[in-house]
Amino acid sequence: DADVTQTPRNRITKTGKRIMLECSQTKGHDRMYWYRQDPGLGLRLIYYSFDVKDINKGEISDGYSVSRQAQAKFSLSLESAIPNQTALYFCATSGEQGVGETQYFGPGTRLLVL
Amino acid sequence: GESVGLHLPTLSVQEGDNSIINCAYSNSASDYFIWYKQESGKGPQFIIDIRSNMDKRQGQRVTVLLNKTVKHLSLQIAATQPGDSAVYFCAETVGGSQGNLIFGKGTKLSVKP
Repeated sequence: DADVTQTPRNRITKTGKRIMLECSQTKGHDRMYWYRQDPGLGLRLIYYSFDVKDINKGEISDGYSVSRQAQAKFSLSLESAIPNQTALYFCATSGEQGVGETQYFGPGTRLLVL
Repeated sequence: GESVGLHLPTLSVQEGDNSIINCAYSNSASDYFIWYKQESGKGPQFIIDIRSNMDKRQGQRVTVLLNKTVKHLSLQIAATQPGDSAVYFCAETVGGSQGNLIFGKGTKLSVKP
């Protein structure tokens, strides 16, 4: 079984709709992250959380919100989706003792906003 | 400003040859660097890491070199195989232990049989 799972894997939505992307992990890590990936731009950090009561904005948080429901769950919401939020979204976790800040990524969610 | 970038966006090598993927960074305060491999349709996968108090670290068929003088990082893959075909990203930590990685834009490695 995968250590970091994301649902859904693919999603098509319309402009203005609210959607939620979910991430779960079984690695027991405290830290979780949401990134978006666009062609030619690499991975950019949206939000990150170091524990259940901690939420931090990343480089591109505008238009997004997150919720850390439990240590193992970190969801990303688009309150009112717009076409330029079409991208590949990755969740990641870190916190494994002794391996520095290595982040472990989920398989990604491909989002298309029409 | 802080940046992590790559010298070559694409790299094509013959199977069996060695590959070298380069990365430049601009923040001299960065103290931890990671190389990730991303295959088509998958999330990035950890390959190897190195701390700033080291200049070389070896793994299985991979070696990471860090030159702090010129702020340069490289990933060497020995005896490149078709399964090595992927996009490779370097990443650096800014802010020490906070785990906030800055990723480069990636280099696509294509291995010719």
